[in-house]
Amino acid sequence: DAGVIQSPRHEVTEMGQEVTLRCKPISGHDYLFWYRQTMMRGLELLIYFNNNVPIDDSGMPEDRFSAKMPNASFSTLKIQPSEPRDSAVYFCASSFRGTDTGELFFGEGSRLTVL
Amino acid sequence: GDSVTQMEGPVTLSEEAFLTINCTYTATGYPSLFWYVQYPGEGLQLLLKATKADDKGSNKGFEATYRKETTSFHLEKGSVQVSDSAVYFCALSDGNSGYSTLTFGKGTMLLVSP
Repeated sequence: DAGVIQSPRHEVTEMGQEVTLRCKPISGHDYLFWYRQTMMRGLELLIYFNNNVPIDDSGMPEDRFSAKMPNASFSTLKIQPSEPRDSAVYFCASSFRGTDTGELFFGEGSRLTVL
Repeated sequence: GDSVTQMEGPVTLSEEAFLTINCTYTATGYPSLFWYVQYPGEGLQLLLKATKADDKGSNKGFEATYRKETTSFHLEKGSVQVSDSAVYFCALSDGNSGYSTLTFGKGTMLLVSP
C-alpha cells in the first residue's frame, strides 16, 4: 500500500525564493496535517484539513506561509518569500476520522534549507 | 493548554540494557496517550497507545502504562537492540473538541551500541 508521499525530499534554495512542498495523503483518509520539525522547537503543527477544508491554521508562523488542499489527494505548503529561519523538515501526515485513534501516517518529510 | 514533557536525550545504552524514557503530560479532561518512533531519515510511526487510565500499551517489546495519578506515560523495554536506535516521541490527544489533534513532546533520541 502506498503511504503518504511527499516531494521534494530535499530542497535547497536562497532567501527570498518561493518554496512549494507537496503531499499526497493515503487514499481514503479525510484528515491531512502539516508539521514542521526543528531541533530547537521540536515538532510543530502548522495546519490541518478535514475533507479538504482548513480547520485550524493557528500554527502557521506568519503570512509568508500558506497551505491549500484543492482535492482529497493533494495538498501544498507554500513559503513566499523564504527565509533562513524556515530551514526545517516539513512533514505531511494523514489520518482517517481525525486523531481519535491516535494513528497519524507520516510521510518521509521534505528537508528544506534556505541559504 | 496541553503539553507533553519528555526527558532530554540522547539516551545512550548498550545492547540488551533496560530502557526507560520518561514522559509526563498536562491536559484537561482525559487524554489518550501515544508513543511514536522516528527512525533515521523517516517519518514518525505509531509505536503504542493507551486510551484510558491504567491501560498498558505494548508493541515490539516496548510498554507504557497510563498513570493518571502521576500524569505519566513512561516508555520501557527490557532489552534494547541496536535496531531500536531512533527518536521517540510521547504525544497526547485530548479529544475534547470536535477535531482532536496530537500534541507532541520534543522527542528523545536513543542510541544503542553493540
